[in-house]
Parts: sequence; structure tokens; C-alpha cells
Amino acid sequence: SAVISQKPSRDICQRGTSLTIQCQVDSQVTMMFWYRQQPGQSLTLIATANQGSEATYESGFVIDKFPISRPNLTFSTLTVSNMSPEDSSIYLCSVAGGDYNEQFFGPGTRLTVL
Amino acid sequence: SQQGEEDPQALSIQEGENATMNCSYKTSINNLQWYRQNSGRGLVHLILIRSNEREKHSGRLRVTLDTSKKSSSLLITASRAADTASYFCATRGAQKLVFGQGTRLTINP
Repeated sequence: SAVISQKPSRDICQRGTSLTIQCQVDSQVTMMFWYRQQPGQSLTLIATANQGSEATYESGFVIDKFPISRPNLTFSTLTVSNMSPEDSSIYLCSVAGGDYNEQFFGPGTRLTVL
Repeated sequence: SQQGEEDPQALSIQEGENATMNCSYKTSINNLQWYRQNSGRGLVHLILIRSNEREKHSGRLRVTLDTSKKSSSLLITASRAADTASYFCATRGAQKLVFGQGTRLTINP
């Protein structure tokens, strides 16, 4: 299984600011995924990030709000822009691998927006 | 939108008892995966079952899949306090992994 790390692990931010979350994987992967988990809720896919191409966003998520970078096969960033309290969530990075596309998750970034 | 529906939403049992959680989904899948999440932390991958498999075991975990009913179950035998967590099923179609709402399991000592 892949080992995934995220920075920061948690942060408290002011309304209107932006936060960039980093995701590092210990092996090269084609696709990386970003999920959001709102308080008490399940996980929702924000976007899929492929190296060398624009990220693909899910319905309800837009690039201006959640810009993503994927500079190489082991690293990605997600920025949460112009934050509001509704953005308070856990943001998780994920990769798929193996013969059957088992999907593994990072430890998450707990974001609180005041 | 979420594809999976999990049942029950919350389950509380005594240590040593078995816990069963169910997951239903709506569209065809390639595989179904179960995860555990402790106290809002990262997700731990428990088990993957492919669409052509009916049952799979891993330690105290037993997963079944019925593609005709579009449902799966996760059985945890001989539960322990450390099993207290939220459990999620997730289905993979073409590329995306879509999560159910989860079951909150509490093991009482």
C-alpha cells in the first residue's frame, strides 16, 4: 500500500484567506484524488488530479475555489481559496493502486475557518 | 451525490459480540471497498471485494457482496473496544470511488 502524508495536519484560518494543502506519496502514481469530509458527513470527491493535465472537478466544485497542482507523480497540492466557515472540513488526499485499484488515503487536513 | 446507503447509521454493542453493517448501492460496480475511520482521522483501508467475488475474509472481518441485490455487508466478529470507529463502504465504477454515509460503531466494555 502507498504511504501518503499531508501538510498541514490541521489549521485554523480566518475568513477570506486561502490555505494550500500538500500531499506527498512514497511512490509514483498516475491519479491522485482530493476529497472533502464535512463535519459528521461522508467523503465527497472534489477532483481528480493527473500529472501533466488539468484536474477534473466534480459537480459543485470549481477550479477558482479549489485550484489543484500536480507537478509530478508523487506530489499534489489543493488550495482552498477565499475561505468561509462552510469550508471547515477534513480534506483528504488519496491514491489508487494495485491490480484492483485499491484506494488509500492520507491522514487528512482538519481545517477550521473562523 | 452519494451512491451508497449504509445501515444502520449507528450501532452500539457489547465487547465480544459480532457487528454487522450493510451497504447498498445503485449502479454497476467494479469493486467495493470498506474503510474504517477513527475520530475524524484518515481512512484505513480494510478490504476490497471485486464484483465477481461473493465473500472475502481478513482476520475478524468478513465481507459479502450480492451484485444482484446491489448490496454488501461487513461482519466484525468478537468485537473489541478498539473497533469503535466509523465504517464506510465505497464503490468503484469506471474510475471514481463513491462513498456511503457510514455506520458509527460503538463497542461498550
